[in-house]
Amino acid sequence: DVKVTQSSRYLVKRTGEKVFLECVQDMDHENMFWYRQDPGLGLRLIYFSYDVKMKEKGDIPEGYSVSREKKERFSLILESASTNQTSMYLCASSPGGSSYNEQFFGPGTRLTVL
Amino acid sequence: DAKTTQPPSMDCAEGRAANLPCNHSTISGNEYVYWYRQIHSQGPQYIIHGLKNNETNEMASLIITEDRKSSTLILPHATLRDTAVYYCIVSLLGYNQGGKLIFGQGTELSVKP
Repeated sequence: DVKVTQSSRYLVKRTGEKVFLECVQDMDHENMFWYRQDPGLGLRLIYFSYDVKMKEKGDIPEGYSVSREKKERFSLILESASTNQTSMYLCASSPGGSSYNEQFFGPGTRLTVL
Repeated sequence: DAKTTQPPSMDCAEGRAANLPCNHSTISGNEYVYWYRQIHSQGPQYIIHGLKNNETNEMASLIITEDRKSSTLILPHATLRDTAVYYCIVSLLGYNQGGKLIFGQGTELSVKP
């Protein structure tokens, strides 16, 4: 089975801190994604990557950056955390080609910014 | 991407079939229907997808109407562990085709003993 792991289940940070959320997948998937999930807004795509060192903006990239130096690892960076970035963050991965939308999700990181 | 309409909630008795409907009347000819579910406090889980033929796997069956304007996800023998929010999504197939998952509000399925 595909396993997608995220570095923390719960995280509490202060406003203005730099925050790193790490995601690792073990199935050699080409694509990796970062979403955030908020009540009433559903899941929204922040960034995705279709190859090492490649990234594409999703629907809400403002305030975030990403890094993919190795195929199995995709990091989400909050350069200066703000309270409106308090959310559940979900990482996902998928194979390339026609299986792009068969995404495997991690358990999520619940981030609270105080 | 075409939008979908799902009932906000449904109940099902344990051991019975759960039939979750989805309307996607504006689906285009090359868009697929995907189903995901999200159990409380977990990430979403891919269930199944299809274009126009009915599909079945170890988790569920997907029935798509001939005009493709609606579909039904069937869990043949629902268990308490199937209690989750179920999302119906229409999307083009791959990245190069502009494929993208847009999660709406879904249907909250409660399986009751």
